Amino acid sequence: GQQVQQSPASLVLQEGENAELQCNFSSTATQLQWFYQSPGGSLVSLLSNPSGTKHTGRLTSTTVTKERRSSLHISSSQTTDSGTYLCAIGYNQGKLIFGQGTKLSIKP
Amino acid sequence: EAAVTQSPRSKVAVTGGKVTLSCHQTNNHDYMYWYRQDTGHGLRLIHYSYVADSTEKGDIPDGYKASRPSQENFSLILELASLSQTAVYFCASRLGVAETLYFGSGTRLTVL
Repeated sequence: GQQVQQSPASLVLQEGENAELQCNFSSTATQLQWFYQSPGGSLVSLLSNPSGTKHTGRLTSTTVTKERRSSLHISSSQTTDSGTYLCAIGYNQGKLIFGQGTKLSIKP
Repeated sequence: EAAVTQSPRSKVAVTGGKVTLSCHQTNNHDYMYWYRQDTGHGLRLIHYSYVADSTEKGDIPDGYKASRPSQENFSLILELASLSQTAVYFCASRLGVAETLYFGSGTRLTVL
């Protein structure tokens, strides 16, 4: 079946360091999105990147479709970046499934 | 900004009782989703819909029914609530398969 694996499960960094999050998926996907879940639980979309490299602010996502993997790079991390980062993979007819997430903690 | 409204925000239900979670969006989105999240875990897809009057099973549909009576409304129904269904439930919607997904604030369901 379709699976989405994220690594690492958790990551602790000092403020100013860069973070690298990974997402691997088992089946050919039509879409890939990264989401942020705040410590309070709210969910927001960060960016959509089904293939290639995409930048927005301090975020860079690189997706290699044929290798079924994507990464999210956060540069110059800030304490406000702390939370959980979720990768979601889209399939035909709109099915969208999520990985388990990477919990990021940025220490001041 | 797209708006997705869930109700109730929280609910306590008894084992064996019927629970209905509601989701409403005013964004004219075609796709709507129900996910559950257990403490410390990611989101698991229960049901989704891409057109009114039609629903699709997600990865964990057992014990849940879904209803999409209109484009704006998508309900999740637990006919016989069980302890294992205690979780936070999120509704989401998007215009199309390549579009941004917008989430509601979640419903915290506790089954006793």
